[in-house]
Amino acid sequence: EDKVVQSPLSLVVHEGDTVTLNCSYEVTNFRSLLWYKQEKKAPTFLFMLTSSGIEKKSGRLSSILDKKELFSILNITATQTGDSAVYLCAVEAWGGANSKLTFGKGITLSVRP
Amino acid sequence: NAGVTQTPKFQVLKTGQSMTLQCAQDMNHNSMYWYRQDPGMGLRLIYYSASEGTTDKGEVPNGYNVSRLNKREFSLRLESAAPSQTSVYFCASRGEAGDTQYFGPGTRLTVL
Repeated sequence: EDKVVQSPLSLVVHEGDTVTLNCSYEVTNFRSLLWYKQEKKAPTFLFMLTSSGIEKKSGRLSSILDKKELFSILNITATQTGDSAVYLCAVEAWGGANSKLTFGKGITLSVRP
Repeated sequence: NAGVTQTPKFQVLKTGQSMTLQCAQDMNHNSMYWYRQDPGMGLRLIYYSASEGTTDKGEVPNGYNVSRLNKREFSLRLESAAPSQTSVYFCASRGEAGDTQYFGPGTRLTVL
């Protein structure tokens, strides 16, 4: 059974801090790892990672995958109150059209002014 | 281009009542998914449909049925609602395997 574990489960920081969110996984026939941001509504896509060691970056957010150690991190620099959200990690295994995502429980990030 | 839409946004049911949650996407996606989200549990897959005419169980299918009416629409039915089905339900769609999933706005369901 595929498994995704995120840590920490919750985090409180102050504006301007840098945070690192962790995601470890166990999956047979790994295909990709995805990060989503969820505010009080539907998850929105942040990154998809398929290759080890290649950093994906979008503004203050960046993410990297380690396929040997089976984990990914999501970094947020110079945090803002608008970064407050639940961050979800999910993995996909190869399965053709039937492939599906397995989600972690999410990390609740609170950024205080 | 509305993306993924869900109706209703909110619903309150009494134990034993039935209802259908509707989901539609206008992105010509093949695959569609139903998830439930409970506090501290992340997203758990209920059912999915890899293509029109096919449906498969996910992690937590008990108490639910689905219909893939056509390529656009994928509905989730609760035949006899139970308080344990109180949750937020998300529908999602995806074009090809390996693409990201796109989520609808969610339905908040309370079963009393």
